[in-house]
Amino acid sequence: SYELTQPPSVSVSPGQTASITCSGDKLGDKYACWYQQKPGQSPVVVIYEDTKRPSGIPERFSGSNSGNTATLTISGTQAMDEADYYCQAWDSSTHVAFGGGTKLTVL
Amino acid sequence: QVQLVESGGGVVQPGRSLRLSCAASEFTFSLYAMHWVRQAPGKGLEWVALISYDGTKKYYADSVKGRFTISRDNSKNTLYLQMNSLRPDDTAVYYCARETAMATTHFDYWGQGTLVTVSS
Repeated sequence: SYELTQPPSVSVSPGQTASITCSGDKLGDKYACWYQQKPGQSPVVVIYEDTKRPSGIPERFSGSNSGNTATLTISGTQAMDEADYYCQAWDSSTHVAFGGGTKLTVL
Repeated sequence: QVQLVESGGGVVQPGRSLRLSCAASEFTFSLYAMHWVRQAPGKGLEWVALISYDGTKKYYADSVKGRFTISRDNSKNTLYLQMNSLRPDDTAVYYCARETAMATTHFDYWGQGTLVTVSS
């Protein structure tokens, strides 16, 4: 089965840049996306197809994907960005793979 | 605005069955592949099952294969998940999610989720 690995937690100061990584075998050959989930809410996609932002997602959210690692970058992090973030990719054997999630703390 | 509303969750004993429903509205349901994704309490997201737009293709996570069945009724704009032989580790919030119409597989809309608790 295809596995995606994320750090369990990342901390960032307000206004600084947060980077959350997602690692998987040849992940760069696949499309990665990222979801934000706040407590008690359903996930929301913030990045899809490695780098694209859906309508309504702030420009401070960006993504990249190369080699074995996809990265979600939040520039000028705000308190409202504190949430759990999940990467996801499609694999022909596993179909849909999610990373284990990263808790972003803004402090 | 696209809406996905799950129902059917509840408390069920191990070994019993439960059927979840997901009512879709404000989009042409028959054109989209649909998924079930679950989240155990305090845990991460786990993909459960996928059904193609016309219901002809179905795929399952290994953890539910042979016990769960995904189906859809495009005339009723409704997605289903039949869960048999339930186990305590099936306890989770179950979300239905719409797969985007783009070439890449990701989810552009999610329901609010329905909680399934498997306990004696």
